[in-house]
Parts: sequence; C-alpha cells; structure tokens
Amino acid sequence: DAGVIQSPRHEVTEMGQEVTLRCKPISGHNSLFWYRQTMMRGLELLIYFNNNVPIDDSGMPEDRFSAKMPNASFSTLKIQPSEPRDSAVYFCASSKGGPDSPLHFGNGTRLTVT
Amino acid sequence: GQQLNQSPQSMFIQEGEDVSMNCTSSSIFNTWLWYKQDPGEGPVLLIALYKAGELTSNGRLTAQFGITRKDSFLNISASIPSDVGIYFCAGGSSSNTGKLIFGQGTTLQVKP
Repeated sequence: DAGVIQSPRHEVTEMGQEVTLRCKPISGHNSLFWYRQTMMRGLELLIYFNNNVPIDDSGMPEDRFSAKMPNASFSTLKIQPSEPRDSAVYFCASSKGGPDSPLHFGNGTRLTVT
Repeated sequence: GQQLNQSPQSMFIQEGEDVSMNCTSSSIFNTWLWYKQDPGEGPVLLIALYKAGELTSNGRLTAQFGITRKDSFLNISASIPSDVGIYFCAGGSSSNTGKLIFGQGTTLQVKP
C-alpha cells in the first residue's frame, strides 16, 4: 500500500501565479478529499469527490480555487491567481467511502505565496 | 456549521505520565476518530469509533465514543518521547461519504 501520494511537497510561488497541486489516492478508494491546514483555522475541508464526482465544494474559499478528478487515480487542486493568504499546507485524503471507512492522508503540499 | 471543541490546546508532560484529551460538540456525530500528526507529515489514524459508548484500545491508547454521541476522549498511558505531536479528534456525521470535521488539535510535548 503506497498510501496517498501528493506532489509537490513544497511549492513557492509569487502572487498572481497559477498553482497546481496533485494527488494520487490509494488504489481502490473511491472518495477523495482536499483539506487545507493553517495555524489560525486548523484543518478545513475544501472539497470532496465520490467516484470522481464533486459532491461538496462549499469549503472552497473563492472562485480562484478549482479541483478536478478526471479519473479514479488522480486529482488536482488549482489556485489561479494565487495570493499570499493562500499560503498553507494542503492535504489530500482518500477513503473507501461510507461511515466505516476512515480517511488516509497524504503528506501534504506546503504552499508559500510571496 | 458543525464544530468540535478540543481540549486542552497543549500539554507538556513528563515521560511516563498518562495523558487525557477530549472533544465535545453541540452536534451529534455517528463516528469519532483520533489522528496524530508529526511535523511535516499528514495526520495518521490512531483509533476509529463507530458506536456510541464504544471503548477501544490500541496499545497504550484508549478512546471512547461518548454515549450522547457529542463527545469523545483519548487517553495515552505511560507516555514516551515519540508520543510528541499534534492529536486531532474528528467527527463524522454523513452516512455516505466519510466526510470529517476536525478539532483544533492538542499539541503534546513529552519531557524525557
């Protein structure tokens, strides 16, 4: 079990640039979640997918944020244009879905927008 | 929206001591989970609870799902230096998706 794989591990970019974060969920998991972690707000759910379909994107802060899941093994979170307040650690997590299936997290992407 | 209140916010204890932390909510949850996060890594699942009143152990860790479904606690016995980290509670209320709401975390430091 390779676990949830995220890339890049670190991203430093300038304000206004486009940022794309990538996630490969655990094989066989059909639910995928994007979380953002900051000191002030803790872990916040941004969006989640079931069977590649976005179910709830109410946590996405603004239209600058978008997420896609083109297939069961890949998802992206895009920020365009990026702003300094987007600086945070972004986690992807996956699960088999359902109430008895806990989330398994990747190691995150630390994003710094200058 | 749903919120979890986790306490204490931080703890600094001596190696060998027992630790207790808890989460409460004004909302009912169907599942409670406890995660630990080490620096530079994602949260790792420690214990999952699926029934009200359930008491589950994982080595030196013990967690309980409150009978009211609005709270949970995590105990760590005989703490060791590698217990250092941030502990998060998480509640799940959706019956279909596994969507979780996280507490603010308890930072644990253990003095050798």
